[in-house]
Amino acid sequence: QKEVEQDPGPLSVPEGAIVSLNCTYSNSAFQYFMWYRQYSRKGPELLMYTYSSGNKEDGRFTAQVDKSSKYISLFIRDSQPSDSATYLCAMSRGEGGNEKLTFGTGTRLTIIP
Amino acid sequence: EPEVTQTPSHQVTQMGQEVILRCVPISNHLYFYWYRQILGQKVEFLVSFYNNEISEKSEIFDDQFSVERPDGSNFTLKIRSTKLEDSAMYFCAARDGRIKLFFGSGTQLSVL
Repeated sequence: QKEVEQDPGPLSVPEGAIVSLNCTYSNSAFQYFMWYRQYSRKGPELLMYTYSSGNKEDGRFTAQVDKSSKYISLFIRDSQPSDSATYLCAMSRGEGGNEKLTFGTGTRLTIIP
Repeated sequence: EPEVTQTPSHQVTQMGQEVILRCVPISNHLYFYWYRQILGQKVEFLVSFYNNEISEKSEIFDDQFSVERPDGSNFTLKIRSTKLEDSAMYFCAARDGRIKLFFGSGTQLSVL
């Protein structure tokens, strides 16, 4: 079983729709859960992160973590064409310092105007 | 100005040749990383570096790979004898100790 699994898509939705992106994981040591956005030919950029289980909201973006199910989600409300990118989930055991990230494969999202 | 700058953006080399990929983080970054992404696959951890030594390395990071930060500014990844399977996008990343990890734009390495 892979440590982190993510549906690669591609996913296409019309502008204004709600987008749901998901990852599952197997390593119960993961405590920090992140979503990165990656535009073509660019490095990943941190969107938001969550510690342990719970929800976190930032504007149109909401991250959810359910540690009991080892399942994390990112919701995008009122999706815009500028949200078109690849979204990567990532996880770590610790908060910062030397901690490495373990990534999912990424989901390619296209918002259709 | 980007937090992490990588050069070159593209590197083409012959199998068996040595390559050096370069990264310049901003001055308050303390922890440094190299990740790579083979086309169509996930971003994979290679190595972490702190206080002038390797903190952790993956099984990918074998004896052909090395990292150094010789002048306290540039952070480099050297591949001594490149193989076809080393072809990938290589990302440098850095952080100041907090959770946010800044990635560079990557170096696309093509081994022919």
